[in-house]
Amino acid sequence: EPEVTQTPSHQVTQMGQEVILRCVPISNHLYFYWYRQILGQKVEFLVSFYNNEISEKSEIFDDQFSVERPDGSNFTLKIRSTKLEDSAMYFCASSEALAGPYEQYFGPGTRLTVT
Amino acid sequence: GESVGLHLPTLSVQEGDNSIINCAYSNSASDYFIWYKQESGKGPQFIIDIRSNMDKRQGQRVTVLLNKTVKHLSLQIAATQPGDSAVYFCAERGSARQLTFGSGTQLTVLP
Repeated sequence: EPEVTQTPSHQVTQMGQEVILRCVPISNHLYFYWYRQILGQKVEFLVSFYNNEISEKSEIFDDQFSVERPDGSNFTLKIRSTKLEDSAMYFCASSEALAGPYEQYFGPGTRLTVT
Repeated sequence: GESVGLHLPTLSVQEGDNSIINCAYSNSASDYFIWYKQESGKGPQFIIDIRSNMDKRQGQRVTVLLNKTVKHLSLQIAATQPGDSAVYFCAERGSARQLTFGSGTQLTVLP
């Protein structure tokens, strides 16, 4: 069964450093998403991406964040200057449909630890 | 503000019993409501969804009920098994397909 993959599984970085989290969505999917989950809290939407541009972003997704689909398979989330409060699990998701019911498939997540 | 929230943070049930997990939402404009299961160390896994113009939908061992009058969503799991132990989130889909998740209920299945 196709699945969303994410690398690395765990990333440790120092405050102020840039990090890039990588995702490979399911190959025939058209919509891509990033979510984050701070330890013990609910999953929060960050950004959705379709047709090579951001379609929606949350208040969390400020100028320090950016997303890119550099090639036909990867989808990346960049945090330019990490803060302690960026420590969280980051989940990538993808979905197939343009309209109607759909399912977002989530990857296993990248645990980001900012020290 | 708009939010999706869960009534109970934890739920313990005996193996074989039925489980009911509840959720309250406040955004009447959402077109789909979804239940996700999250096991420790994994990403959310889709269980079942329901369109806003329906009040009941059944899947394999699961049923989702939607009561738009009181803005309430529930997930019923029949014959709960040890493998059902996880955190369950309700979520609603926004206009740009982004999901807004509730705070989660930890389901523990007792032997």
